[in-house]
Amino acid sequence: ETGVTQTPRHLVMGMTNKKSLKCEQHLGHNAMYWYKQSAKKPLELMFVYSLEERVENNSVPSRFSPECPNSSHLFLHLHTLQPEDSALYLCASSQAYSNEQFFGPGTRLTVL
Amino acid sequence: AQTVTQSQPEMSVQEAETVTLSCTYDTSENNYYLFWYKQPPSRQMILVIRQEAYKQQNATENRFSVNFQKAAKSFSLKISDSQLGDTAMYFCAFGIYNQGGKLIFGQGTELSVKP
Repeated sequence: ETGVTQTPRHLVMGMTNKKSLKCEQHLGHNAMYWYKQSAKKPLELMFVYSLEERVENNSVPSRFSPECPNSSHLFLHLHTLQPEDSALYLCASSQAYSNEQFFGPGTRLTVL
Repeated sequence: AQTVTQSQPEMSVQEAETVTLSCTYDTSENNYYLFWYKQPPSRQMILVIRQEAYKQQNATENRFSVNFQKAAKSFSLKISDSQLGDTAMYFCAFGIYNQGGKLIFGQGTELSVKP
């Protein structure tokens, strides 16, 4: 595997479910990011982990909970989501303090 | 606060022709980077080209080049000899030097290359 991978690629869940999105980077980077991409809107930065510490949390609702166990893995735990949370969730990685980010293919999330 | 604006939601171009996508940004910072990312229908976002604000020379990558006007805060992308594979969403992004990798994205321009 090369680059940034995300699983699952597609996820359908009910509002009462609990699920997790996974991201893994194989680039030797030490910073990772979660973005939300909704139709016709700019990418919204959700969380940033740099050197395994969370350094950015952009007023994201608590029903989204990130976890970064090491510099290669990033999770987004989901619980009691709302239909408006349906979107493409993108993971990215970079060297810490570098703006040049490399993106995964995304997880298309649908909340029923 | 920094903002990035892409005023063209959709554009189309004939194969082999040239197209320019516009991007403007607003910042009071002096040291920053600008990027163009491409997101094809398969959804994998890839970096097309980057420009450091301190460099006066416009960046080029094969058929892709930028027109960086720092005073006007403008950063347009020119695609020469357009190919069908250039069909994608294009996002302009701004990042402040040494600020933890945070990027601010524009709304995107959907480019269609027609045969």
